[in-house]
Amino acid sequence: EAEVAQSPRYKITEKSQAVAFWCDPISGHATLYWYRQILGQGPELLVQFQDESVVDDSQLPKDRFSAERLKGVDSTLKIQPAELGDSAMYLCASSRGRGDTEAFFGQGTRLTVV
Amino acid sequence: AQSVAQPEDQVNVAEGNPLTVKCTYSVSGNPYLFWYVQYPNRGLQFLLKYITGDNLVKGSYGFEAEFNKSQTSFHLKKPSALVSDSALYFCAVRDGYSSASKIIFGSGTRLSIRP
Repeated sequence: EAEVAQSPRYKITEKSQAVAFWCDPISGHATLYWYRQILGQGPELLVQFQDESVVDDSQLPKDRFSAERLKGVDSTLKIQPAELGDSAMYLCASSRGRGDTEAFFGQGTRLTVV
Repeated sequence: AQSVAQPEDQVNVAEGNPLTVKCTYSVSGNPYLFWYVQYPNRGLQFLLKYITGDNLVKGSYGFEAEFNKSQTSFHLKKPSALVSDSALYFCAVRDGYSSASKIIFGSGTRLSIRP
């Protein structure tokens, strides 16, 4: 069964350092999402891609976060510089791109900023 | 703007009893509704969805959900709970008006099934 791949699974970084997460969606999925989930809360959408284009990044803190999906396949989310409040689970998901289709999630990257 | 509310932070049920996890939503257009389950330190797993048609939808692991348009609700149900159902459950909604609309998640309900 196809899965969304994310790496790394866990990341510990020092405050003010740069950190990057990688996501490889299910093959053929046009839509890719990055969510942030703080412990005990629901996922919050950071950025949504349709192929290589950003369709929603209204909740992305653009002064320190960036995301790209250059060839419309895999994607990278970067934080620079990291702050203590960025500690969270970062989830990547993909869907076929039609509105009636569900999103499939990866295992997530647990980020701890110290 | 679309939104989802899960009014209960935690639901406690005895094994073998029926369970209900509540969800209400708000969207401008037609709602596309989803339920996901999350186990500790894992991503979200899709359980079921409502797009159109029959108001009662069936999903994975014996779960079902009932869409109620007049009450703008999409409650998750199971006739007989198992201890292994203990997990965090999220309701989500997408506005069907646009294929590019985002999926918004509720705050989650922790389901605890006691033996």
